[in-house]
Amino acid sequence: GESVGLHLPTLSVQEGDNSIINCAYSNSASDYFIWYKQESGKGPQFIIDIRSNMDKRQGQRVTVLLNKTVKHLSLQIAATQPGDSAVYFCAENSFPTDSWGKFQFGAGTQVVVTP
Amino acid sequence: NAGVTQTPKFQVLKTGQSMTLQCAQDMNHEYMSWYRQDPGMGLRLIHYSVGAGITDQGEVPNGYNVSRSTTEDFPLRLLSAAPSQTSVYFCASSYSLPASQKGSYNSPLHFGNGTRLTVT
Repeated sequence: GESVGLHLPTLSVQEGDNSIINCAYSNSASDYFIWYKQESGKGPQFIIDIRSNMDKRQGQRVTVLLNKTVKHLSLQIAATQPGDSAVYFCAENSFPTDSWGKFQFGAGTQVVVTP
Repeated sequence: NAGVTQTPKFQVLKTGQSMTLQCAQDMNHEYMSWYRQDPGMGLRLIHYSVGAGITDQGEVPNGYNVSRSTTEDFPLRLLSAAPSQTSVYFCASSYSLPASQKGSYNSPLHFGNGTRLTVT
């Protein structure tokens, strides 16, 4: 899950296994959520998004689940590959409470894929 | 399309020096923003712009200035660098929608690859 501090939580996953990365959010009015992947030395890369009127959304090898009751978001990566090693973080927005484009970001989870 | 381009990639400044971080996007996005990323923390918004000629402050604006004279460019100026501004800076953009559609849809931010700034 997400944390504040110098050290990010780490998820170690064996290649080929499924990964589950969690994110807790605090604003019950948040209605748009994004998962980003950030490789070392690069900018955040969009993975998948979901609006609050959905519970689940699937992409290529990734699934995002949203539980509004407990304000929890998760990202599932199927058949994790070495190229999936990165920091993953969630972002939330509550338009129009938040201005268009203004997101709150989690600190992230470091995913390490082992052979 | 190159997407969001940031220059320079690395910069070292002495305390008190000024500099401008450049950001350009070729996606015709109306919305642009600057974030800083510090170890163990989420991205924090410095300044943002909803269109040419319009800018506003984010969460941590002190010590930074911005301007938006064109849709494509959104430079970030450090007026008098301080060690507390040592960070990685990301520029981001997204497309906007007519006001009537904004309640039913949103769009993700597209990020550049960052500028790593060290202030000594």
